[in-house]
Amino acid sequence: DQQVKQNSPSLSVQEGRISILNCDYTNSMFDYFLWYKKYPAEGPTFLISISSIKDKNEDGRFTVFLNKSAKHLSLHIVPSQPGDSAVYFCAASPPSVFNKFYFGSGTKLNVKP
Amino acid sequence: GAGVSQTPSNKVTEKGKYVELRCDPISGHTALYWYRQSLGQGPEFLIYFQGTGAADDSGLPNDRFFAVRPEGSVSTLKIQRTERGDSAVYLCASSPGLAGHEQFFGPGTRLTVL
Repeated sequence: DQQVKQNSPSLSVQEGRISILNCDYTNSMFDYFLWYKKYPAEGPTFLISISSIKDKNEDGRFTVFLNKSAKHLSLHIVPSQPGDSAVYFCAASPPSVFNKFYFGSGTKLNVKP
Repeated sequence: GAGVSQTPSNKVTEKGKYVELRCDPISGHTALYWYRQSLGQGPEFLIYFQGTGAADDSGLPNDRFFAVRPEGSVSTLKIQRTERGDSAVYLCASSPGLAGHEQFFGPGTRLTVL
């Protein structure tokens, strides 16, 4: 049973606009969440993370929001750029020193020039 | 510095054969992870090592899969009697082994079982 879900397999956005990628999880024990970006033929690259003690974390154009009561997190990219076109995975981890990550199935973002 | 490297980048084998996939983690990272990614899915956890020992192998699908990390650095994922369903990208990641720290992924090995 998938514990992390990304229900939108793809998203298309115009350059300069906001991209919002969503992720839901079922395990209330998860306390650490991350977003990874993946280009074709490359491994996932870490983008941004958030721990459960926060509800928002911002890094430049990227902001992650966490709604623990809804078991939902989202990634906002503002403004979107063509180079942001990639597959985005959210991942979650229960409390652990070694962080066993559970990944969603990914959302393919296409930013149109 | 150098990132996580994996060899080979591609491996084509026949059903029933044995394969070995290699991972070189980032120097100094004590934790090492193997994931498997099937088409259209996210990475799925297989096993992780803390140092030389397998701290959690709960994701290995069956006893045909085995992984070692004899000196606490390089790791090898071994698959016996390969099946067509084993075809996937096998990803390796490493981390400093600290809580709340991201994992750094290699480019993966694409395994195709004919």
